[in-house]
Amino acid sequence: DAGVIQSPRHEVTEMGQEVTLRCKPISGHDYLFWYRQTMMRGLELLIYFNNNVPIDDSGMPEDRFSAKMPNASFSTLKIQPSEPRDSAVYFCASSANTEAFFGQGTRLTVV
Amino acid sequence: EDQVTQSPEALRLQEGESSSLNCSYTVSGLRGLFWYRQDPGKGPEFLFTLYSAGEEKEKERLKATLTKKESFLHITAPKPEDSATYLCAVQAGNTDKLIFGTGTRLQVFP
Repeated sequence: DAGVIQSPRHEVTEMGQEVTLRCKPISGHDYLFWYRQTMMRGLELLIYFNNNVPIDDSGMPEDRFSAKMPNASFSTLKIQPSEPRDSAVYFCASSANTEAFFGQGTRLTVV
Repeated sequence: EDQVTQSPEALRLQEGESSSLNCSYTVSGLRGLFWYRQDPGKGPEFLFTLYSAGEEKEKERLKATLTKKESFLHITAPKPEDSATYLCAVQAGNTDKLIFGTGTRLQVFP
């Protein structure tokens, strides 16, 4: 398996624009997590899914953030409208209810 | 509230100088404690899972131990390639999510 695949690796966008981050989890994993990493706050859990169903979205900072998992092999995290304070590295991870395996992340810069 | 605290924030070692990283946790019913390594520009890479107090796991120069309140990552005779940020995470008994500490940035100099 190629591991967790995220795209794009880097995204630069202007404030107010919509941003969509994508994730393909490891085949057979039934948990998918979205994390955000910054120097100040470290790794923060935004939302996680079990069997494509959102279980806990309490970490989503505000209504501008939304996440979907239409099937077992794909998830998106959308920010609309984006703001400069959303600049961070966003990680997707998947697990089979034990250790989680992370993708390489998407570095988002909002200018 | 579930919480994870790692110390020190940063650690500089000479090659061959052994040391330990600490992860203190407060969680309601520990299901598992996880150690990860993160290199710059990459995602965290899984190292170990510990489930109960007294458990130990080893991999090359790394050994992880667990008590009821904390975990240690012991690094024996480190090499420059061990330089990375080491992250600790816990999974509580009533949830499936991992709560991460802020990490220890390790630098090993030749």
